Amino acid sequence: DAGVTQSPTHLIKTRGQQVTLRCSPKSGHDTVSWYQQALGQGPQFIFQYYEEEERQRGNFPDRFSGHQFPNYSSELNVNALLLGDSALYLCASSLGGAGTGELFFGEGSRLTVL
Amino acid sequence: RKEVEQDPGPFNVPEGATVAFNCTYSNSASQSFFWYRQDCRKEPKLLMSVYSSGNEDGRFTAQLNRASQYISLLIRDSKLSDSATYLCVALYSSASKIIFGSGTRLSIRP
Repeated sequence: DAGVTQSPTHLIKTRGQQVTLRCSPKSGHDTVSWYQQALGQGPQFIFQYYEEEERQRGNFPDRFSGHQFPNYSSELNVNALLLGDSALYLCASSLGGAGTGELFFGEGSRLTVL
Repeated sequence: RKEVEQDPGPFNVPEGATVAFNCTYSNSASQSFFWYRQDCRKEPKLLMSVYSSGNEDGRFTAQLNRASQYISLLIRDSKLSDSATYLCVALYSSASKIIFGSGTRLSIRP
């Protein structure tokens, strides 16, 4: 049973560039949520995708966008990168929206912006 | 004010001790609560759900007080392997949103 997979695991970008992060949810799950986790902080909710639509969004600017594909996989795009975007980006999958509250996380994509 | 607040710690306790964390939430619309555990440089994993009646899972006990809007986690007979960050989580079913606290760091010393 494949768990949540994310790619890439690490990447380095410079200010102003754009980045795309990818996530495949756990087998059988249809919902993907993205979180940003800065060092020493808890995960901050970016948005959730369910049925290929953005269902909920946290307090993140429009530079953060996403997409969900028919196979439930998802992408997170960040444009015009800022130094403050450096963080661990976590993808979490669940069933039926927020569902029961049990999220399965991938190992994350660690983004460094120079 | 953050929707879910936790004491960041760190809590540094000897092996075998009992340790308790509290977490407060500001939105009374929160419907369900959870504790997640996150090891250093790893992803968060669900530790346990929190029920109004209180629930226990081995050495771990979780409590919810809706009137005071706080959640607690008690760890008895702590082990070295309990060293981690413990994240308090609130689920807003109506908004389909799951909110994490900043986490409480626990370090168990031999």
